[in-house]
Parts: sequence; C-alpha cells; structure tokens
Amino acid sequence: GNSVTQMEGPVTLSEEAFLTINCTYTATGYPSLFWYVQYPGEGLQLLLKATKADDKGSNKGFEATYRKETTSFHLEKGSVQVSDSAVYFCALGRGSTLGRLYFGRGTQLTVWP
Amino acid sequence: DADVTQTPRNRITKTGKRIMLECSQTKGHDRMYWYRQDPGLGLRLIYYSFDVKDINKGEISDGYSVSRQAQAKFSLSLESAIPNQTALYFCATSDLAGGGTGELFFGEGSRLTVL
Repeated sequence: GNSVTQMEGPVTLSEEAFLTINCTYTATGYPSLFWYVQYPGEGLQLLLKATKADDKGSNKGFEATYRKETTSFHLEKGSVQVSDSAVYFCALGRGSTLGRLYFGRGTQLTVWP
Repeated sequence: DADVTQTPRNRITKTGKRIMLECSQTKGHDRMYWYRQDPGLGLRLIYYSFDVKDINKGEISDGYSVSRQAQAKFSLSLESAIPNQTALYFCATSDLAGGGTGELFFGEGSRLTVL
C-alpha cells in the first residue's frame, strides 16, 4: 500500500540552525512527493513538491530531493527563522489513486530566537 | 476572501446531535475532499468527490456522510456525533489537471468538539 513515515517531533532549534526533517515512503510505481506546512491556526499549504526521481523541490529556502533508491524525501533548510515555526507534513500522491494524498503524521518545529 | 471557506470554524456539541460542516470554494476546481486531523495522526481522508455526481469513501468514512450540492459546495455531516469525532476537519480542493500529482488547496479548518 501507500504510506509515509516522517520523523517524530517536536523539533526545537535556535534561529539560524540547520534543519532536517526525515521522510520515507512506501508506494508502488512512481508517486509524486510533497511537503505541506501548517502555521498556527491555519490550514495546510503546499511548501514544495517533486514529481519524479532526482527532482529537487525548493521554496522559501527549504529543499527536498526525491530519492527513489532510498525512498526518501527529506526536508532541509540551511538557516531557520522564528517564522518557520509550524507543523510540517510529508505527503505522497499517485495518479492511479485519482487525486488523494497520503500524509505523514506531521512534525512540529519550534524555532527560538 | 479565502478561496476555500469552511463554516463553522469552531463548534461544540453534545453526543447524539447532528452536525453539518460546510465548505465552499471559489477556485473553480472539480475535486473536493474532507480530511480529519488528529494530534500525532496526521490527516486522514474521510470522503472525496471528483464532480457533482461522484462521491467516494476515504479511509475513515464510518459515522460520516457527505453531499456535493454544486461544483463549489461540499458538506460533511455527522448524523449522530460521538466524542471520538472530536477533531479538526479540513476541506480541500484540487483541479482535474492536478489529479494525483497536483496540489491540494485547504480551507482554514473547522474545529469540532463533541462532549
């Protein structure tokens, strides 16, 4: 079946620290991979995505590379800011399942000044 | 105004009551979804609809029903609410071209508490 496993939080960092949130997936075929972010009191919004192996998604200083050989899509940022404090969700989507996404459990990130 | 609007944003009700959560969108998307978020469990799909005449169960549809009144409107009902349906509910949309590889657009969520 299709599933996503992401590292459990919470993750607490100081401002300007390096961030990695691990995400691995299980799927048949060739899924698309996503990172969504949920800021306090808001809905989820797309942070970045990659649709095929070796693609790198990037946005707002965040990056993630689709690694088919390790079935991973780890989220990284070189220097986090207080405003990055949020919950981050890794997700998987496949065309054969017609539009639904499979989400990981979410990782709470808190950045202190 | 938000592209995906959910009402109510917060609701407290009692066990056994009927509750309806409503979702409307101005994005012109054909596909609409209802997800439930519980702490530590991520988001789980309740129901989804690819057009007005198409309704599909997700992974946790028991105890819920939906109605797609128009392309822009998709409501979720709890016929007889129970405490373990206390959660944050999200409506989302996507367009036909996006399909399974595209982006979901989320509403701001409806927090439901069942006492």
